[in-house]
Amino acid sequence: RKEVEQDPGPFNVPEGATVAFNCTYSNSASQSFFWYRQDCRKEPKLLMSVYSSGNEDGRFTAQLNRASQYISLLIRDSKLSDSATYLCVVNLYTGFQKLVFGTGTRLLVSP
Amino acid sequence: EAGVTQFPSHSVIEKGQTVTLRCDPISGHDNLYWYRRVMGKEIKFLLHFVKESKQDESGMPNNRFLAERTGGTYSTLKVQPAELEDSGVYFCASSQDSIPLYNEQFFGPGTRLTVL
Repeated sequence: RKEVEQDPGPFNVPEGATVAFNCTYSNSASQSFFWYRQDCRKEPKLLMSVYSSGNEDGRFTAQLNRASQYISLLIRDSKLSDSATYLCVVNLYTGFQKLVFGTGTRLLVSP
Repeated sequence: EAGVTQFPSHSVIEKGQTVTLRCDPISGHDNLYWYRRVMGKEIKFLLHFVKESKQDESGMPNNRFLAERTGGTYSTLKVQPAELEDSGVYFCASSQDSIPLYNEQFFGPGTRLTVL
């Protein structure tokens, strides 16, 4: 079983749509959580951290459910520029960061 | 401010040859990480430097891989001898240590290694 599981997609949505991605993680000792975005053949870039109380950054909302070991990302009013792969990342923090990545969920936003 | 840089961007070598990848972190970042993405798989942690010291090398696949960070600045990752399964994209990342649980890691563009 993978440590971080994501639906690889692709999710094909029209501009303006709302789309949600889910992710589950297996290690209950995971300390912190992130969503990274990766464009085709580019490096991953931090989209947002995920806090226990849930957090929002513009059109993006992240939620964490520690009991179910589940993380979500909601994108509202999708833009063409949102087309990318979204990586769910957990931090097995033991004094230092150690990131474990999911394989990513691919999003394609069409006109 | 310059981001994380990696050299070369691409490398094509034959099985049995040696390749050295270089990473220059963001200036002032004590933490430097190496990751690898094999085709179709997730990005996987290889190792972590704090300044010039190896903090965690639990992800290194085997002793054909050697990472160094002399002087705590740039880092090199040498693969010797390269095998077919070493093909993939090698990413380097760096971070400060200001917010331990939520440090942002800044990734370089990666080195795409192909072993024939």
